[in-house]
Amino acid sequence: ILNVEQSPQSLHVQEGDSTSFTCSFPSSNFYALHWYRWETAKSPEALFVMTLNGDEKKKGRISATLNTKEGYSYLYIKGSQPEDSATYLCAPILTGGGNKLTFGTGTQLKVEL
Amino acid sequence: GAGVSQSPSNKVTEKGKDVELRCDPISGHTALYWYRQSLGQGLEFLIYFQGNSAPDKSGLPSDRFSAERTGGSVSTLTIQRTQQEDSAVYLCASSLEQNYIREQYFGPGTRLTVT
Repeated sequence: ILNVEQSPQSLHVQEGDSTSFTCSFPSSNFYALHWYRWETAKSPEALFVMTLNGDEKKKGRISATLNTKEGYSYLYIKGSQPEDSATYLCAPILTGGGNKLTFGTGTQLKVEL
Repeated sequence: GAGVSQSPSNKVTEKGKDVELRCDPISGHTALYWYRQSLGQGLEFLIYFQGNSAPDKSGLPSDRFSAERTGGSVSTLTIQRTQQEDSAVYLCASSLEQNYIREQYFGPGTRLTVT
């Protein structure tokens, strides 16, 4: 069973704050890491797919970094807005595991005015 | 274009009954996945289909669960003799191909409640 940990479990920030959270996964046999955002009453939406150690991806105010040697990825949100409130899920894919995503339990972010 | 659709959006059933959940993937997507999220749990992989290959059923929790994909498009997930622990949101996703760098597009889910 692939052990994927995300921390913190939940986070409350004020509008305008910058924040970050972590996804930890086994570092051996790494293939790729997916980040998804899941807003309440909507479908999970892909944010990034990362494959290379040292990768950094950016989409607007959201960015992510990847360290495959130590088995972690950080997701950063700069200047949080209420519309960023969602659960952020990471899902690594390891070699030999097929292409199914194994999701962490997510970080639930709430941005307050 | 049209996204992934699922039906029904909500299903309440009595313990012991069979249920069928449907997924219509994005046209042209050859890979199709089923996941579920039980209360307080993360998204759990159930099964995936890729083209005409044998499906990967490794995530199905028991033999009461089965899925098929007809004509490489629509998929149905069937749960026989439902139990209360089957209550969850069942999500379907599709991608262009079964490739680890392809993002998956999710449907809105079916919320199943077993009473």
